Amino acid sequence: QKEVEQDPGPLSVPEGAIVSLNCTYSNSAFQYFMWYRQYSRKGPELLMYTYSSGNKEDGRFTAQVDKSSKYISLFIRDSQPSDSATYLCAMSDTGTYKYIFGTGTRLKVLA
Amino acid sequence: DADVTQTPRNRITKTGKRIMLECSQTKGHDRMYWYRQDPGLGLRLIYYSFDVKDINKGEISDGYSVSRQAQAKFSLSLESAIPNQTALYFCATSDPNRASNYGYTFGSGTRLTVV
Repeated sequence: QKEVEQDPGPLSVPEGAIVSLNCTYSNSAFQYFMWYRQYSRKGPELLMYTYSSGNKEDGRFTAQVDKSSKYISLFIRDSQPSDSATYLCAMSDTGTYKYIFGTGTRLKVLA
Repeated sequence: DADVTQTPRNRITKTGKRIMLECSQTKGHDRMYWYRQDPGLGLRLIYYSFDVKDINKGEISDGYSVSRQAQAKFSLSLESAIPNQTALYFCATSDPNRASNYGYTFGSGTRLTVV
């Protein structure tokens, strides 16, 4: 079993939809959680960072961590075609290095 | 200019050849990393360096070597390339001293094909 599991998709949604992207993990020591967005032929870029449990909101994006269920989510409201990308979750116990990445979920937002 | 620059962007090489991928950064970060990305496997850490004199193996270092020539430069070498090293390679940097910036800054990647 992988330490971090992420559905590869692709996930296709109409413009304006609410998107839910998820990762599950097995290591209960993970405390630092990140979401990255990766456009085709580009490197991943950091979208959201959360520590421990709870929610964090930034514009149309909300990151949610449920440590009791070992489950993290990224919600995108009012999705736009420009949100079409691969979304990677990443997590760590130390918070400073050696992040474990999910395999990524490919999202397509249709105009 | 990009914060993290990788060269070349694309490379095709033959089995058995030695190849070097280069990375330079203007972020001023001490920590630098090399990852490879494969479909279905995600990003896997090859090597990481906390400063010029501190270099560490990641989870998949066999067949690779690195050199940290300066704080801003970190190169990855494949001593004798083999086809299963065909992948997308990313260099990344991080600054753990900033509480709001625990993330990595990635380069745009090098697509390497070994034939």
